[in-house]
Amino acid sequence: GAGVSQSPSNKVTEKGKDVELRCDPISGHTALYWYRQSLGQGLEFLIYFQGNSAPDKSGLPSDRFSAERTGGSVSTLTIQRTQQEDSAVYLCASGAQLNYGYTFGSGTRLTVV
Amino acid sequence: AQSVAQPEDQVNVAEGNPLTVKCTYSVSGNPYLFWYVQYPNRGLQFLLKYITGDNLVKGSYGFEAEFNKSQTSFHLKKPSALVSDSALYFCAVNTGFQKLVFGTGTRLLVSP
Repeated sequence: GAGVSQSPSNKVTEKGKDVELRCDPISGHTALYWYRQSLGQGLEFLIYFQGNSAPDKSGLPSDRFSAERTGGSVSTLTIQRTQQEDSAVYLCASGAQLNYGYTFGSGTRLTVV
Repeated sequence: AQSVAQPEDQVNVAEGNPLTVKCTYSVSGNPYLFWYVQYPNRGLQFLLKYITGDNLVKGSYGFEAEFNKSQTSFHLKKPSALVSDSALYFCAVNTGFQKLVFGTGTRLLVSP
């Protein structure tokens, strides 16, 4: 596609439920990032995939969070046993090699009630 | 570890005046520097980047940024601000294939 696609755009879930957030990067982009942004706040790095290298998971806030990227393309961020503090906008970005720039998706707004 | 600092939470400027949004960085190696803008209820949009070459980089919407290696800075500038420039601005840095690290963001408010 022409841009980074994220789904769903909005998700309301009950505390304790698991959620899956999906990111379709731009075709051919080897780098894929997940960030989290709380209301009006900065970007919190979660995880980074680069080609076939092992992902940089250093930003995942707890073991309830995990992500995978299948076939070097689509990525899924999974949050288990959601908590209210998980409520935020989850942003995905992809980029080509050599840091030519990164394109962000519109994000998934997660609300845990 | 690489890091980015945006020392101002908010910058206020009158329409028509020049604006500057500050960014300093810390990396080991050559930096790749980026500016992104986020309008209310919108995703992040790429403004400009510095990879190599000319220190003055021109980007979208009339914005430019100057890479200053000695001061480790990459300040965002625009000669004449518009009310529509009001938004949240993020500076980011990485090196090679390291993760992209963002600053905390600066809110720009342009008054009519």
